[in-house]
Amino acid sequence: NAGVTQTPKFRVLKTGQSMTLLCAQDMNHEYMYWYRQDPGMGLRLIHYSVGEGTTAKGEVPDGYNVSRLKKQNFLLGLESAAPSQTSVYFCASTNFYEQYFGPGTRLTVT
Amino acid sequence: DQQVKQNSPSLSVQEGRISILNCDYTNSMFDYFLWYKKYPAEGPTFLISISSIKDKNEDGRFTVFLNKSAKHLSLHIVPSQPGDSAVYFCAASAGGGADGLTFGKGTHLIIQP
Repeated sequence: NAGVTQTPKFRVLKTGQSMTLLCAQDMNHEYMYWYRQDPGMGLRLIHYSVGEGTTAKGEVPDGYNVSRLKKQNFLLGLESAAPSQTSVYFCASTNFYEQYFGPGTRLTVT
Repeated sequence: DQQVKQNSPSLSVQEGRISILNCDYTNSMFDYFLWYKKYPAEGPTFLISISSIKDKNEDGRFTVFLNKSAKHLSLHIVPSQPGDSAVYFCAASAGGGADGLTFGKGTHLIIQP
C-alpha cells in the first residue's frame, strides 16, 4: 500500500516548456487535489476532482490544466511554463475531510 | 484576503513543556478544521481534526480546541518532544470536504532540548 505517489520528484524546466505531473493513489479515494506551496505560504489549491472524469478549478488555476481519466490517477499539466510556476507541488486524495498527501514535486522554471 | 490565519510564523518551546499553536479564521461557512504536520522535503501528514459541532478533540498528546464565537482554534501538544519540531498547518473546509482545504501559512515549531 503506497498511499499517494508523485512523479517526478524534481524537475527543471525552461520558460515556455511543457510538462505533466502524475499523481497516483491506491486507497480507492474519490476526491483528488493539486496544491502548490511557495516559501512563507500555506498550500493553495490549484485544481481538484470529485470523481473520475470530473475536474474543477481551485484558488490558483491559471496556467494549469488537469485530467482524471482513471480514478486512481490525477494529472497536472503546464502547457507553457513560467518562472512564477516555480514551486513545490503536492497531490492529495480523500473520501472525506482528512486528505492524504504525496511527497511533493519540486519544480524550477528558469 | 486570507481566510485562515496563523499569526505566529515560529514558536520555540522547551522539551516536556506544552506547545500551543493558534489559528484564526474568517469564513463562517467552515465546518471542519484540521491540523497537519510537515517535515522538510516531505508532504503534510494529518494530525488531528475537529468538527464545528464540537469544541474539543483529543488524541494522545494532541488536543484541538475550537471557539466558534471567536472563530479561533488552537492545537495543544503535551508534553512536547523533539520529534514534534516541524511546520504545523491549520486547515479548514466548508460543505462536506470535497471542495478542498484552505490552509494557513503555517507555524514552525521548534522544540528546545
